[in-house]
Amino acid sequence: EVHLVQSGAEVKKPGESLRISCKGSGYSFTTYWVAWVRQMPGKGLEIMGIVYPGDSDTRYSPSFQGQVTISADKSINTAYLEWSSLKASDTAMYYCARRDLNYEYFDYWGQGTLVTLSS
Amino acid sequence: DVQLTQSPSFLSASVRDRVTISCRASHGISTYLVWYQQKPGKAPKLLIYAASTLQTGVPSRFSGSGSGTEFTLTISSLQPEDSATYYCQQFNSNPLTFGGGTKVEIK
Repeated sequence: EVHLVQSGAEVKKPGESLRISCKGSGYSFTTYWVAWVRQMPGKGLEIMGIVYPGDSDTRYSPSFQGQVTISADKSINTAYLEWSSLKASDTAMYYCARRDLNYEYFDYWGQGTLVTLSS
Repeated sequence: DVQLTQSPSFLSASVRDRVTISCRASHGISTYLVWYQQKPGKAPKLLIYAASTLQTGVPSRFSGSGSGTEFTLTISSLQPEDSATYYCQQFNSNPLTFGGGTKVEIK
Protein backbone atom coordinates (compact mmCIF):
# COMPACT_ATOMS: atom_id res chain seq x y z
CA GLU A 1 0.00 0.00 0.00
CA VAL A 2 1.30 3.44 -0.94
CA HIS A 3 2.07 5.80 1.93
CA LEU A 4 3.59 9.25 2.13
CA VAL A 5 4.43 10.18 5.71
CA GLN A 6 5.44 13.73 6.47
CA SER A 7 7.41 15.17 9.37
CA GLY A 8 5.62 16.85 12.23
CA ALA A 9 4.32 20.35 12.80
CA GLU A 10 6.83 23.16 13.22
CA VAL A 11 6.75 26.50 15.00
CA LYS A 12 9.51 28.81 13.85
CA LYS A 13 10.53 32.45 13.96
CA PRO A 14 10.94 34.66 10.90
CA GLY A 15 14.46 34.44 9.55
CA GLU A 16 15.01 30.86 10.74
CA SER A 17 15.71 27.97 8.43
CA LEU A 18 13.61 24.83 8.12
CA ARG A 19 13.53 21.53 6.29
CA ILE A 20 10.47 19.30 6.27
CA SER A 21 10.34 15.78 4.92
CA CYS A 22 8.11 13.28 3.16
CA LYS A 23 8.93 9.57 3.28
CA GLY A 24 7.43 7.29 0.66
CA SER A 25 6.74 3.59 1.04
CA GLY A 26 4.80 0.85 -0.70
CA TYR A 27 5.98 1.75 -4.19
CA SER A 28 9.15 2.36 -6.21
CA PHE A 29 10.12 5.78 -4.83
CA THR A 30 12.60 6.50 -7.63
CA THR A 31 10.01 6.04 -10.36
CA TYR A 32 7.43 8.68 -9.43
CA TRP A 33 7.70 12.45 -9.23
CA VAL A 34 6.87 13.96 -5.81
CA ALA A 35 5.37 17.43 -5.55
CA TRP A 36 5.05 19.90 -2.71
CA VAL A 37 1.76 21.76 -2.40
CA ARG A 38 1.06 24.78 -0.22
CA GLN A 39 -2.28 25.57 1.40
CA MET A 40 -2.38 28.86 3.25
CA PRO A 41 -4.94 29.20 6.07
CA GLY A 42 -8.46 29.06 4.66
CA LYS A 43 -7.18 29.09 1.08
CA GLY A 44 -6.79 26.79 -1.91
CA LEU A 45 -4.01 24.59 -3.24
CA GLU A 46 -0.80 25.80 -4.92
CA ILE A 47 1.89 23.63 -6.44
CA MET A 48 5.31 24.77 -5.31
CA GLY A 49 7.51 22.41 -7.25
CA ILE A 50 8.27 18.81 -8.01
CA VAL A 51 11.23 16.45 -7.78
CA TYR A 52 12.06 13.19 -9.51
CA PRO A 53 13.87 11.10 -6.88
CA GLY A 54 15.44 8.86 -9.51
CA ASP A 55 17.86 11.57 -10.65
CA SER A 56 16.89 14.56 -8.42
CA ASP A 57 15.58 16.54 -11.40
CA THR A 58 13.62 19.41 -9.85
CA ARG A 59 11.16 21.91 -11.29
CA TYR A 60 9.72 24.96 -9.52
CA SER A 61 6.54 26.92 -10.07
CA PRO A 62 7.47 30.54 -10.94
CA SER A 63 6.01 31.93 -7.69
CA PHE A 64 8.25 29.70 -5.59
CA GLN A 65 11.48 29.73 -7.61
CA GLY A 66 14.25 31.05 -5.38
CA GLN A 67 12.03 30.97 -2.30
CA VAL A 68 12.40 27.30 -1.39
CA THR A 69 14.58 24.32 -2.21
CA ILE A 70 13.11 20.94 -3.09
CA SER A 71 15.27 17.83 -3.03
CA ALA A 72 15.15 14.07 -2.54
CA ASP A 73 17.35 11.36 -1.08
CA LYS A 74 16.54 8.15 -2.91
CA SER A 75 18.61 6.06 -0.51
CA ILE A 76 16.03 6.70 2.21
CA ASN A 77 12.94 7.25 0.02
CA THR A 78 12.52 10.81 1.28
CA ALA A 79 11.72 14.13 -0.35
CA TYR A 80 12.41 17.47 1.28
CA LEU A 81 11.15 21.05 1.24
CA GLU A 82 13.54 23.60 2.65
CA TRP A 83 13.61 27.30 3.50
CA SER A 84 16.81 29.22 4.27
CA SER A 85 15.03 32.21 5.81
CA LEU A 86 11.37 31.88 6.72
CA LYS A 87 8.89 34.72 6.42
CA ALA A 88 5.64 35.27 8.31
CA SER A 89 3.80 34.62 5.04
CA ASP A 90 5.18 31.05 4.97
CA THR A 91 2.64 30.06 7.62
CA ALA A 92 0.69 27.30 5.90
CA MET A 93 -0.01 23.61 5.61
CA TYR A 94 2.39 21.87 3.26
CA TYR A 95 1.54 18.61 1.53
CA CYS A 96 3.69 16.26 -0.46
CA ALA A 97 1.93 14.33 -3.20
CA ARG A 98 2.90 11.58 -5.61
CA ARG A 99 2.40 12.38 -9.27
CA ASP A 100 0.71 9.81 -11.46
CA LEU A 101 3.19 7.81 -13.50
CA ASN A 102 2.02 9.17 -16.84
CA TYR A 103 0.05 12.33 -16.17
CA GLU A 104 0.46 15.43 -14.05
CA TYR A 105 -2.07 14.88 -11.34
CA PHE A 106 -1.59 13.53 -7.84
CA ASP A 107 -2.85 10.14 -6.76
CA TYR A 108 -1.47 9.88 -3.21
CA TRP A 109 -0.91 12.61 -0.66
CA GLY A 110 0.95 12.93 2.61
CA GLN A 111 -0.94 13.93 5.75
CA GLY A 112 0.46 17.47 5.69
CA THR A 113 2.95 19.43 7.78
CA LEU A 114 1.75 22.61 9.45
CA VAL A 115 4.37 25.33 9.56
CA THR A 116 3.58 28.25 11.85
CA LEU A 117 5.64 31.39 12.00
CA SER A 118 5.51 33.31 15.24
CA SER A 119 7.72 36.14 16.40
CA ASP B 1 -1.76 30.05 -17.69
CA VAL B 2 -5.04 28.14 -17.60
CA GLN B 3 -7.42 29.65 -15.07
CA LEU B 4 -10.02 27.36 -13.52
CA THR B 5 -13.21 28.92 -12.14
CA GLN B 6 -15.38 26.81 -9.90
CA SER B 7 -18.99 27.54 -9.09
CA PRO B 8 -20.60 27.81 -6.72
CA SER B 9 -17.95 28.53 -4.10
CA PHE B 10 -20.31 27.25 -1.41
CA LEU B 11 -23.40 25.13 -1.42
CA SER B 12 -25.67 23.72 1.24
CA ALA B 13 -27.77 20.67 0.43
CA SER B 14 -29.69 17.92 2.17
CA VAL B 15 -28.86 14.25 2.41
CA ARG B 16 -29.94 12.42 -0.76
CA ASP B 17 -29.92 15.59 -2.83
CA ARG B 18 -28.26 15.62 -6.23
CA VAL B 19 -25.36 18.08 -6.19
CA THR B 20 -23.53 19.57 -9.18
CA ILE B 21 -20.28 21.53 -9.13
CA SER B 22 -18.95 23.34 -12.16
CA CYS B 23 -15.35 23.95 -13.23
CA ARG B 24 -14.72 26.26 -16.18
CA ALA B 25 -11.32 26.53 -17.87
CA SER B 26 -10.05 29.72 -19.51
CA HIS B 27 -8.64 27.69 -22.41
CA GLY B 28 -9.56 24.33 -23.83
CA ILE B 29 -7.94 21.50 -21.89
CA SER B 30 -9.49 18.45 -23.58
CA THR B 31 -10.17 16.03 -20.70
CA TYR B 32 -6.99 16.78 -18.76
CA LEU B 33 -8.86 17.51 -15.56
CA VAL B 34 -9.16 15.84 -12.17
CA TRP B 35 -11.29 16.36 -9.08
CA TYR B 36 -10.14 16.15 -5.47
CA GLN B 37 -12.08 16.01 -2.22
CA GLN B 38 -10.62 17.62 0.89
CA LYS B 39 -12.26 17.08 4.26
CA PRO B 40 -11.50 19.49 7.11
CA GLY B 41 -8.04 18.94 8.52
CA LYS B 42 -7.20 16.25 5.95
CA ALA B 43 -5.17 15.99 2.80
CA PRO B 44 -6.87 16.15 -0.59
CA LYS B 45 -8.01 12.83 -2.04
CA LEU B 46 -8.20 12.04 -5.75
CA LEU B 47 -11.79 11.33 -6.79
CA ILE B 48 -11.89 11.50 -10.59
CA TYR B 49 -9.22 11.67 -13.27
CA ALA B 50 -9.36 12.30 -17.01
CA ALA B 51 -12.55 14.29 -16.34
CA SER B 52 -14.79 11.26 -15.90
CA THR B 53 -12.89 8.19 -14.63
CA LEU B 54 -13.57 7.26 -11.04
CA GLN B 55 -10.48 6.56 -8.95
CA THR B 56 -10.43 3.08 -7.41
CA GLY B 57 -12.44 2.91 -4.21
CA VAL B 58 -14.45 6.09 -4.79
CA PRO B 59 -18.21 5.56 -4.34
CA SER B 60 -20.23 5.37 -7.53
CA ARG B 61 -22.45 8.28 -6.47
CA PHE B 62 -19.59 10.51 -7.65
CA SER B 63 -19.30 11.17 -11.37
CA GLY B 64 -17.52 13.61 -13.64
CA SER B 65 -18.22 14.87 -17.11
CA GLY B 66 -17.11 17.45 -19.62
CA SER B 67 -14.32 18.33 -22.02
CA GLY B 68 -12.76 21.43 -23.48
CA THR B 69 -13.66 24.25 -21.12
CA GLU B 70 -16.72 23.02 -19.20
CA PHE B 71 -16.59 20.31 -16.56
CA THR B 72 -18.97 19.02 -13.91
CA LEU B 73 -18.66 16.97 -10.75
CA THR B 74 -21.93 15.37 -9.69
CA ILE B 75 -22.85 13.67 -6.45
CA SER B 76 -26.01 11.74 -7.27
CA SER B 77 -27.22 11.26 -3.68
CA LEU B 78 -25.43 13.41 -1.12
CA GLN B 79 -24.28 11.60 2.04
CA PRO B 80 -23.19 13.10 5.37
CA GLU B 81 -19.59 12.01 4.77
CA ASP B 82 -19.48 14.07 1.55
CA SER B 83 -19.19 17.29 3.55
CA ALA B 84 -15.92 18.64 2.16
CA THR B 85 -14.30 21.10 -0.20
CA TYR B 86 -13.93 19.96 -3.79
CA TYR B 87 -11.18 21.16 -6.13
CA CYS B 88 -10.62 20.70 -9.83
CA GLN B 89 -7.08 20.68 -11.29
CA GLN B 90 -5.96 20.86 -14.90
CA PHE B 91 -2.95 19.05 -16.24
CA ASN B 92 -3.16 20.09 -19.88
CA SER B 93 -0.32 22.58 -19.55
CA ASN B 94 2.18 24.00 -17.09
CA PRO B 95 1.83 25.63 -14.69
CA LEU B 96 -0.64 23.13 -13.29
CA THR B 97 -3.53 25.02 -11.73
CA PHE B 98 -6.37 24.36 -9.33
CA GLY B 99 -9.83 25.81 -9.12
CA GLY B 100 -10.67 27.91 -6.09
CA GLY B 101 -12.72 25.16 -4.47
CA THR B 102 -16.38 24.48 -3.70
CA LYS B 103 -17.34 23.90 -0.10
CA VAL B 104 -20.26 21.47 0.30
CA GLU B 105 -22.23 21.66 3.51
CA ILE B 106 -24.91 19.23 4.65
CA LYS B 107 -28.11 20.97 5.79
